[in-house]
Amino acid sequence: RKEVEQDPGPFNVPEGATVAFNCTYSNSASQSFFWYRQDCRKEPKLLMSVYSSGNEDGRFTAQLNRASQYISLLIRDSKLSDSATYLCVVTRSGGYNKLIFGAGTRLAVHP
Amino acid sequence: DAGVIQSPRHEVTEMGQEVTLRCKPISGHNSLFWYRQTMMRGLELLIYFNNNVPIDDSGMPEDRFSAKMPNASFSTLKIQPSEPRDSAVYFCASSPSGGAVYEQYFGPGTRLTVT
Repeated sequence: RKEVEQDPGPFNVPEGATVAFNCTYSNSASQSFFWYRQDCRKEPKLLMSVYSSGNEDGRFTAQLNRASQYISLLIRDSKLSDSATYLCVVTRSGGYNKLIFGAGTRLAVHP
Repeated sequence: DAGVIQSPRHEVTEMGQEVTLRCKPISGHNSLFWYRQTMMRGLELLIYFNNNVPIDDSGMPEDRFSAKMPNASFSTLKIQPSEPRDSAVYFCASSPSGGAVYEQYFGPGTRLTVT
């Protein structure tokens, strides 16, 4: 079983739609959580950190459920420019906070 | 400000040849990471340097792979001899801190094809 599991998609949604991505992680000792975004043939970039209390950044909302070891990302009012692969990332402790990346969920927003 | 710089951006080589990938981290960042990304395995950490010292090389696939960081502004990843299964995108990333919660800044990657 992979340490970080994501639905690979693709999610095909129209502009303006609300879309949610889920992610589960297997290591209960994971301490920090992130969503990274990767455009086609580009490098990953940090989208947002994920906190237990939930956090919002404009149209993006991230939630963490430590008991269920579950992370989510909600995108409201989807834009064409949101089309990308969204990578769920957790840290594995042990000397340093090693980032463990999920395989990513692909989102395609169409007109 | 310049981000992480990688060269070459694309490399096509024949099986058995030596390949050297280069990375210049963001100035002032003391942590450097080499990753490999493939469709099958996703993004995998190969090696992590902190203050130019290799801290975690558990992800280096085998002895054919080696990495160095001779100074704070330069790192290399070498594959010798290369094999077709090494074909992947290799990313270098840097971070201002390796021990705390941090953001990693990725370079544009080197797309390696071994024929």
